[in-house]
Amino acid sequence: AQRVTQPEKLLSVFKGAPVELKCNYSYSGSPELFWYVQYSRQRLQLLLRHISRESIKGFTADLNKGETSFHLKKPFAQEEDSAMYYCALALSGNTGKLIFGQGTTLQVKP
Amino acid sequence: GAGVSQSPSNKVTEKGKDVELRCDPISGHTALYWYRQRLGQGLEFLIYFQGNSAPDKSGLPSDRFSAERTGESVSTLTIQRTQQEDSAVYLCASSFKGPMFFGEGSRLTVL
Repeated sequence: AQRVTQPEKLLSVFKGAPVELKCNYSYSGSPELFWYVQYSRQRLQLLLRHISRESIKGFTADLNKGETSFHLKKPFAQEEDSAMYYCALALSGNTGKLIFGQGTTLQVKP
Repeated sequence: GAGVSQSPSNKVTEKGKDVELRCDPISGHTALYWYRQRLGQGLEFLIYFQGNSAPDKSGLPSDRFSAERTGESVSTLTIQRTQQEDSAVYLCASSFKGPMFFGEGSRLTVL
């Protein structure tokens, strides 16, 4: 069965510290993976997608098919990064039907 | 409009009543999706509309749930005979050959 697992409900770090939000997936096909973010009192929005191989707001994520992971990383966390982060998996041939993880709240302390 | 618009933003209803939730997608977006987010959980896929194709209803949890979309515009999600476990935030999103844009959601509370 297809599944996305985010093992941490809450990740708390100090400003300037490195951040890694973990995401593991289970899918036998060719995955397409995304990270979505929801800042306080704002709507859910796309942060980045693995096929773009880009860095957004200093965040990067690399798809590791061997480990079936798509961890989100940032070398130096900022207070404005505090938000809820969701990892999502799109099944082959249908990027509309996303399977989401349960989300990780990132709290960056001053 | 500038973004995906959902109404109502909050709805409190009594168990057994029917509710309708509305989604107005971004103009020109051919794809429209409904997701549900229960407290403390991730987003669950409910239904997906793409243009004039038959919708993918595989995520609807029971026959009490139904959704319609008129052309490439507004969609309505209807929940009949609501139950307490239907309490959740219902999110709508739309897209056109690219990333999904989400609305702010409709928070449903069933007493």
